[in-house]
Amino acid sequence: DAGVTQSPTHLIKTRGQQVTLRCSPKSGHDTVSWYQQALGQGPQFIFQYYEEEERQRGNFPDRFSGHQFPNYSSELNVNALLLGDSALYLCASSETTSGRVDTQYFGPGTRLTVL
Amino acid sequence: AQSVTQLGSHVSVSEGALVLLRCNYSSSVPPYLFWYVQYPNQGLQLLLKYTTGATLVKGINGFEAEFKKSETSFHLTKPSAHMSDAAEYFCAVKGPGGYQKVTFGIGTKLQVIP
Repeated sequence: DAGVTQSPTHLIKTRGQQVTLRCSPKSGHDTVSWYQQALGQGPQFIFQYYEEEERQRGNFPDRFSGHQFPNYSSELNVNALLLGDSALYLCASSETTSGRVDTQYFGPGTRLTVL
Repeated sequence: AQSVTQLGSHVSVSEGALVLLRCNYSSSVPPYLFWYVQYPNQGLQLLLKYTTGATLVKGINGFEAEFKKSETSFHLTKPSAHMSDAAEYFCAVKGPGGYQKVTFGIGTKLQVIP
């Protein structure tokens, strides 16, 4: 059983560009959350998707947007990239049962470098 | 809102010594608490979690943590450190119901000295 997968592994972009990161959740999971982990910091919650809708969002500007597909996979889009967007982007999948989100399982992350 | 504070951004122990990583939480509701481990250039792996019930929680790789409500603590321990335990450890908290986000601490980097 494959765990959470993310692509690409690494990405280099320049300021002002746009980027799309992808995540496939663990089998049986229907909820995807995205986190940003800057160097030397803990992960910071960006947003969570369930039933193809964003249902909770952290303190991130609307340059950060996402999407969830019918097969539960998800994309994270970042527009107008800034140097400060350089980070490890982590996807976590979980199962929502009776309105409650169970334990989150993380993918290996996408390392984004903005030059 | 929930938050966690990890005391000590870097901890060094000798191989075979006790590992103690400290975490204190703040929560207005009964929390769910987690410890995750992150090896270099990898994602986060769940070590253990506390939701309800028994306050002493056993996890993978010989780690355990005890939920102490009176001290608002959830410290991670392992009786004997192994070289392979060298990694970064994150304490995290979420609310018990609904779909609240998980809030992470800043992390503690564990060094194991041979």
